[in-house]
Amino acid sequence: QQPVQSPQAVILREGEDAVINCSSSKALYSVHWYRQKHGEAPVFLMILLKGGEQKGHEKISASFNEKKQQSSLYLTASQLSYSGTYFCGTQDTGNQFYFGTGTSLTVIP
Amino acid sequence: DAGITQSPRHKVTETGTPVTLRCHQTENHRYMYWYRQDPGHGLRLIHYSYGVKDTDKGEVSDGYSVSRSKTEDFLLTLESATSSQTSVYFCAIRGTSGPYNEQFFGPGTRLTVL
Repeated sequence: QQPVQSPQAVILREGEDAVINCSSSKALYSVHWYRQKHGEAPVFLMILLKGGEQKGHEKISASFNEKKQQSSLYLTASQLSYSGTYFCGTQDTGNQFYFGTGTSLTVIP
Repeated sequence: DAGITQSPRHKVTETGTPVTLRCHQTENHRYMYWYRQDPGHGLRLIHYSYGVKDTDKGEVSDGYSVSRSKTEDFLLTLESATSSQTSVYFCAIRGTSGPYNEQFFGPGTRLTVL
């Protein structure tokens, strides 16, 4: 049930781009993306629904391939504030959510 | 700010003692969730509630019970704490903006069982 994220960790210089991937073995209704800073709660970034609707931060973009049950989060022109651990969460047709183990992103000057 | 608080924020207890964690929301959301977060495992669902007195188990529910007697409060109880339950516990509410159901998390409770 738990989605698989890749890569596990990535280090970027300011201004570089990154892609984080999330893959599930089950048919999904929605995919969510969250960012968590050390010692803090996860913060919602974006949600993508089956059928194409999505909602989220202006500076964040993501895609959802329903046929492959895969989602990707695109971080462009990275800033120091983008550092943190990114989680994808998935929901099938029920009320439960399953989270990946996270991708650690570090942006250096 | 999703209006979610958790108490206590930190707790140290001994093996075998009962522990209750509280999640309080001010948003009148129907769905509430309890997760635990451990290194290497991400967030794992313990229990969730879909209304007053309506709850269901998640993937790691053994050793935990929950109760929801009011919309705003969702309690997580460890009947007899064990060291394997040392973790950070997050409560979450589920958004109800149309078809969107993103989750908003409370600040977390760090529990240490000695």
